[in-house]
Amino acid sequence: GENVEQHPSTLSVQEGDSAVIKCTYSDSASNYFPWYKQELGKGPQLIIDIRSNVGEKKDQRIAVTLNKTAKHFSLHITETQPEDSAVYFCAATPGNTPLVFGKGTRLSVIA
Amino acid sequence: ETGVTQSPTHLIKTRGQQVTLRCSSQSGHNTVSWYQQALGQGPQFIFQYYREEENGRGNFPPRFSGLQFPNYSSELNVNALELDDSALYLCASSFSGAHYGYTFGSGTRLTVV
Repeated sequence: GENVEQHPSTLSVQEGDSAVIKCTYSDSASNYFPWYKQELGKGPQLIIDIRSNVGEKKDQRIAVTLNKTAKHFSLHITETQPEDSAVYFCAATPGNTPLVFGKGTRLSVIA
Repeated sequence: ETGVTQSPTHLIKTRGQQVTLRCSSQSGHNTVSWYQQALGQGPQFIFQYYREEENGRGNFPPRFSGLQFPNYSSELNVNALELDDSALYLCASSFSGAHYGYTFGSGTRLTVV
């Protein structure tokens, strides 16, 4: 089955800097890659997703890139703000099967 | 549009007891998926309910069971609780059996002592 690895496990950046979180997946059939943000005491919230027919997707300060050949995808957050501090999870799925999540990255944005 | 609501938010149970967790899906969604999130880990799929039937199951033993009601709300039942069942239980609603477009609830924090 699918296996998703996520790095780094913790990340600290200065406010205004960029943050990058990387994930690799094992199943070449995976074609849907969402990213979730989880704040303390809340459930995961979808912030951006990408499908395998697209190499990059942007939404304001957030972007995701996908390299199908290398089987990895990354989340890029530019101009970070303190409210970006949270745990971020990547996930993958080969078709309409349950999401397989990475272990998460705790992002701290230091003002 | 109402989001996904879960109850209770926290509970403490003793090993060997049984527990029922509840989830109301987002308006317009007819599918509920349950995930277990251990401390410091990503969520793991337990099962999904669609059309009031189990529609896929992860690697969890039969003592994890569920129900879906005609109003699309769902229950997760866990029998013979073990210490390792301590986790955050998340419910996600979606449409037509999909595993994309999830809306997650805030979860139920279960502690087994």
